[in-house]
Amino acid sequence: EIVLTQSPATLSLSPGERATLSCRASQSVSSYLAWYQQKPGQAPRLLIYDVSNRATGIPARFSGSGSGTDFTLTISSLEPEDFAVYYCQQRRDWPPITFGQGTRLEIK
Amino acid sequence: QVQLVESGGGVVQPGRSLRLSCVASGFTFSSYGMHWVRQAPGKGLEWVAVIWYDGSNKAYAESVKGRFTISRDNSKNTLYLEMNSLRAEETAVYYCVRDPRGQGEYDHWGRGTLVTVSS
Repeated sequence: EIVLTQSPATLSLSPGERATLSCRASQSVSSYLAWYQQKPGQAPRLLIYDVSNRATGIPARFSGSGSGTDFTLTISSLEPEDFAVYYCQQRRDWPPITFGQGTRLEIK
Repeated sequence: QVQLVESGGGVVQPGRSLRLSCVASGFTFSSYGMHWVRQAPGKGLEWVAVIWYDGSNKAYAESVKGRFTISRDNSKNTLYLEMNSLRAEETAVYYCVRDPRGQGEYDHWGRGTLVTVSS
């Protein structure tokens, strides 16, 4: 089973700042890496699939990069609605599909 | 628009059973693989099970294998999860999720149904 480790666990930033979230895999997931955003009381929402492709309706301030075992989600300039929990997910070797433990992005 | 509406959650005693349903609308249900993903209170996401678009293949997390059964009725646009021998640690919100390419990625999620396993 591929283990995904996200860092940091919590990131405290202000609106307008740049956010960089990391996801490291225990073995290569090639380009089969996605990112999801989850707000309190809501289901997760797909942001990025296959490392760097934005899902439908996702603003351009969200971008993904990386390859192999190290991946990054970048939010170029934080908007108030971006403060949430973010999960990475791999589908390189499934089942099982696995998720990272999440990064909480909070307002500083 | 795509809608996934789960139901069937509730409070159940340890060792008992429960069946969840997910009614799909706004897309051709029979063309999509479907998954169940759960989230314990205050915790992360955990994949539970998948079923192919035509029901021909299924797969389960090791933690639920032999106790949970995923199924679907394409004539009713409905996905099911039969859960037996439930454990307290399986208290969670259970999400029904669409897999657009049958390759383990999720483009639409239901709002979830809460299952509480407690005596």
